[in-house]
Amino acid sequence: DAGVTQSPTHLIKTRGQQVTLRCSPISGHKSVSWYQQVLGQGPQFIFQYYEKEERGRGNFPDRFSARQFPNYSSELNVNALLLGDSALYLCASSRPEGRSNNEQFFGPGTRLTVL
Amino acid sequence: ILNVEQSPQSLHVQEGDSTNFTCSFPSSNFYALHWYRWETAKSPEALFVMTLNGDEKKKGRISATLNTKEGYSYLYIKGSQPEDSATYLCAFPILTGGGNKLTFGTGTQLKVEL
Repeated sequence: DAGVTQSPTHLIKTRGQQVTLRCSPISGHKSVSWYQQVLGQGPQFIFQYYEKEERGRGNFPDRFSARQFPNYSSELNVNALLLGDSALYLCASSRPEGRSNNEQFFGPGTRLTVL
Repeated sequence: ILNVEQSPQSLHVQEGDSTNFTCSFPSSNFYALHWYRWETAKSPEALFVMTLNGDEKKKGRISATLNTKEGYSYLYIKGSQPEDSATYLCAFPILTGGGNKLTFGTGTQLKVEL
């Protein structure tokens, strides 16, 4: 079975531009989460979506938005890019049984560089 | 603010050495603790999900223990091999309406040398 897939793998943008990152969860997983990882830090939670609804949001500005589609795939959008948005963006999927021991399965990430 | 801390930040060991690292987390409102292994250019891979105080889990040469009362978990690697080189992350989950969101530590970067 395919794992979590993300596209593109790498992306270079300039300040002020907008970017869309895509994620396809593992088949049967209905919950998708997005994380941002900058060098030297652990991944930081951005959003969680379940059944097309936002179920959690991290401490990120409104320039960050996301959505989930009927097939449970998801997009993360970042507007008005800043240099500080340069990071690895990870997507994770899980079965949303609402338990804390729910394992999250991660994709390989999209490396965004903002120049 | 939820603090999940890991130590050491990095570790260099020789092939065959055994090693361990620590994850500390808030002991109140504990639900579970997740351990991940993250090799360069790959996806983070789940190692363990630990839920019970005194829990000990094992996967091959890697094992982990949990102390929820004092808020720490240890990850042990016995007889380290070069393929164990990776960043090891622990994460503390907080329940959301659709599952949980993970608060990660900064990781321990392990390098196993021949």
